[in-house]
Amino acid sequence: DIQMTQSPSSLSASVGDRVSITCRASQSITRHLNWYQQKPGKAPKLLIYAASSLQSGVPSRFSGSGSGTDFTLTISSLQPEDFATYYCQQSYSTLYSFGQGTKLEI
Amino acid sequence: EVQLVESGGGLVKPGGSVRLSCAASGFTFSDYGMNWVRQAPGMGLEWVSFISTSSLHIYYADSVEGRFTVSRDNAKNSLYLQMNSLRADDTAVYYCARDFPSGIHDFWGQGTLVTVSS
Repeated sequence: DIQMTQSPSSLSASVGDRVSITCRASQSITRHLNWYQQKPGKAPKLLIYAASSLQSGVPSRFSGSGSGTDFTLTISSLQPEDFATYYCQQSYSTLYSFGQGTKLEI
Repeated sequence: EVQLVESGGGLVKPGGSVRLSCAASGFTFSDYGMNWVRQAPGMGLEWVSFISTSSLHIYYADSVEGRFTVSRDNAKNSLYLQMNSLRADDTAVYYCARDFPSGIHDFWGQGTLVTVSS
């Protein structure tokens, strides 16, 4: 099974900051990497798929990069509504594993 | 508008069974694979199962293999998860999620809570 590891597990930042979250796969997943945002009590929301493709309706301040085993989600200028937990997920193998999550706090 | 609505959750005793449903609307259900994903209280997301459009391809996480069975009824636009031999560590909110395809979960339901406790 492919293991996904995110870092950091939590992150404190301020409105307007540029932040990055890293996700590492235990083996190459080419570009089969997706990012989700989850707010408390809500279902996850797809932000980025295939490493760098922005899902429809997602603000352009979100971007993704990487390939192989190392990936990054970047938020260029944090907005109040961006404080949430972020998960990466690999879709290379049919056992679609998630990272443990990164909680982005004010 | 794409909508996924889960139901069937509740309190179940260890060793018991429950069947979750996911009602889909706003898209052609038979054109999409579907997934179940769960989230234990205060924990992260765990992918549980995938079923292809015609039910030809079905996959499970190791943690539920042999105990859970996913199925779908395209005529009823519905997805199901039969959960047997339930354990305390199966306690979670269970989400159904549309497959974009290929493992990308582009729409999610609001989730249904299953609590396994005596």
